[in-house]
Amino acid sequence: DQQVKQNSPSLSVQEGRISILNCDYTNSMFDYFLWYKKYPAEGPTFLISISSIKDKNEDGRFTVFLNKSAKHLSLHIVPSQPGDSAVYFCAANGGATNKLIFGTGTLLAVQP
Amino acid sequence: DAGVIQSPRHEVTEMGQEVTLRCKPISGHNSLFWYRQTMMRGLELLIYFNNNVPIDDSGMPEDRFSAKMPNASFSTLKIQPSEPRDSAVYFCASSRDLATGTQYFGPGTRLLVL
Repeated sequence: DQQVKQNSPSLSVQEGRISILNCDYTNSMFDYFLWYKKYPAEGPTFLISISSIKDKNEDGRFTVFLNKSAKHLSLHIVPSQPGDSAVYFCAANGGATNKLIFGTGTLLAVQP
Repeated sequence: DAGVIQSPRHEVTEMGQEVTLRCKPISGHNSLFWYRQTMMRGLELLIYFNNNVPIDDSGMPEDRFSAKMPNASFSTLKIQPSEPRDSAVYFCASSRDLATGTQYFGPGTRLLVL
């Protein structure tokens, strides 16, 4: 049973435009959400996080939005750059186990 | 600051051999996690430690897998005997704060079992 879902396996965006990556979760006990970026042959790198008491967190070009009623979060990258091309994982923490549960990832390709 | 260090980066072995993966967490982090990434199952948590004590090993696939953390700066993941289906990338991660869940990952060990 997949508690964190990223339904889009891939996304292609033009350089300078907005990239929107989506993530849905099923467990209402999750109270902390994170986005990680992963380049080939490297480990995932922490990007940005949000607590369940907030609905938005911004860090430079990256903004994460949380909609608790819809159990949905999204990562916005504006403007997108070719160096942003990577696999993006969303993850959720909390609940009974206090473990990070990862989604399956979305491959973002930013075209020059 | 040094990040999470994993060794070896690549390992090729034959079925039935013992494989030992090593991890040095970030200094001052008290939680350590072992993950496995495959195409079929994505990134899955195998086991995690808090203050060197195993907290949850429910993700360990079977008895052939074992993990230890003898001190705060070192952990091993052992597979004995290894099988071709164990081929994957194994990541180690560490965290200062288990509650907020911000984990920092090592570069991974790419394991191929022939």
